[in-house]
Amino acid sequence: KQEVTQIPAALSVPEGENLVLNCSFTDSAIYNLQWFRQDPGKGLTSLLLIQSSQREQTSGRLNASLDKSSGRSTLYIAASQPGDSATYLCAVNDYKLSFGAGTTVTVRA
Amino acid sequence: EADIYQTPRYLVIGTGKKITLECSQTMGHDKMYWYQQDPGMELHLIHYSYGVNSTEKGDLSSESTVSRIRTEHFPLTLESARPSHTSQYLCASEVPGLTNTEAFFGQGTRLTVV
Repeated sequence: KQEVTQIPAALSVPEGENLVLNCSFTDSAIYNLQWFRQDPGKGLTSLLLIQSSQREQTSGRLNASLDKSSGRSTLYIAASQPGDSATYLCAVNDYKLSFGAGTTVTVRA
Repeated sequence: EADIYQTPRYLVIGTGKKITLECSQTMGHDKMYWYQQDPGMELHLIHYSYGVNSTEKGDLSSESTVSRIRTEHFPLTLESARPSHTSQYLCASEVPGLTNTEAFFGQGTRLTVV
């Protein structure tokens, strides 16, 4: 059974700092890994998808890396803003989507 | 924007009532999922489907049932709602088995059983 762990569970930073969110998974036989954002009481918004053959993926201020052999992914958010405050979820796709518990980010103005 | 819809968005219902949460997608995706999420807690997979006439139980035991008669439609039913069923229910869909396929989520149904 795939186990997905996200560290840290919560993070509070001043505006402008870079954010580093970590995700680890136990079974490296995956199709892809997806990072999502969730605002309180809402659904999930897809941020980045990294295919199993890729090492990283970038979108604007977001960059995600994948080291499949070691079972790790990292999401970097550059120059954080208060609007980045949310819960960030990592999901690993083998034959089904398995989620970590998330990292709750607070960016202080 | 993803074309996956959940209705209702909010539901307050009495104990013992039968309820059906609707999920529809217009993307032609074969794979669909239902997740349950308590406030501030992680998502738990309760059901998924590979396509029409396929349903599988997820990692979290659930008293709910699902059906998949049409590709675009994946409803979840609770025969007799209880306060312990109070939670947010999230539906998702994707094209299965491809490395470049994204999963898309609906906005969720927040269920309160009183």
